[in-house]
Amino acid sequence: GESVGLHLPTLSVQEGDNSIINCAYSNSASDYFIWYKQESGKGPQFIIDIRSNMDKRQGQRVTVLLNKTVKHLSLQIAATQPGDSAVYFCAEINQGGKLIFGQGTELSVKP
Amino acid sequence: GAGVSQSPRYKVAKRGQDVALRCDPISGHVSLFWYQQALGQGPEFLTYFQNEAQLDKSGLPSDRFFAERPEGSVSTLKIQRTQKEDSAVYLCASSQMARRYGYTFGSGTRLTVV
Repeated sequence: GESVGLHLPTLSVQEGDNSIINCAYSNSASDYFIWYKQESGKGPQFIIDIRSNMDKRQGQRVTVLLNKTVKHLSLQIAATQPGDSAVYFCAEINQGGKLIFGQGTELSVKP
Repeated sequence: GAGVSQSPRYKVAKRGQDVALRCDPISGHVSLFWYQQALGQGPEFLTYFQNEAQLDKSGLPSDRFFAERPEGSVSTLKIQRTQKEDSAVYLCASSQMARRYGYTFGSGTRLTVV
């Protein structure tokens, strides 16, 4: 029979509210982190990145926060819109240069 | 082209059949990566090319999986004697610089083995 995928963590927000998506990464030696957005039937799309020597970086409506002490990454989306509905993945590049994805979070925006 | 192009978009294979998945990276991109994404999960690394050289194939799940990039541009991922557990979306990404930054992903090939 067909296999059933794992249930992704979900976040449901009202249109116009701010969203915060969290991620724990595994390798303390990773020096570069990226957030990707993946819509149904599409490949991951780059949103924002941050180097390990920074703790915050802002883009258009998005902010990434990095806490190296607890190996935690978060993505904040301001004024969330229906078009933001997607699965969001954090990813780290390890010392070997390999891009490793974390578990995704499915964001659902209610109009 | 403007982005990473993958073909076919969908592939249904009978168990035991061989399949070939194609990736056209962004022109001039040195690095090319293949990832496997099972339903509901994040992409998992399969293999990496820098130009025509396959520098890392540590993620290939078995010797039934083979990837090539003979001229340093188009790449093909081949799966021999497909099994049901091979059903997944196969994503290709390319990058201008060697293994750092700016990965652009294609839309993937959804492989279903029946």
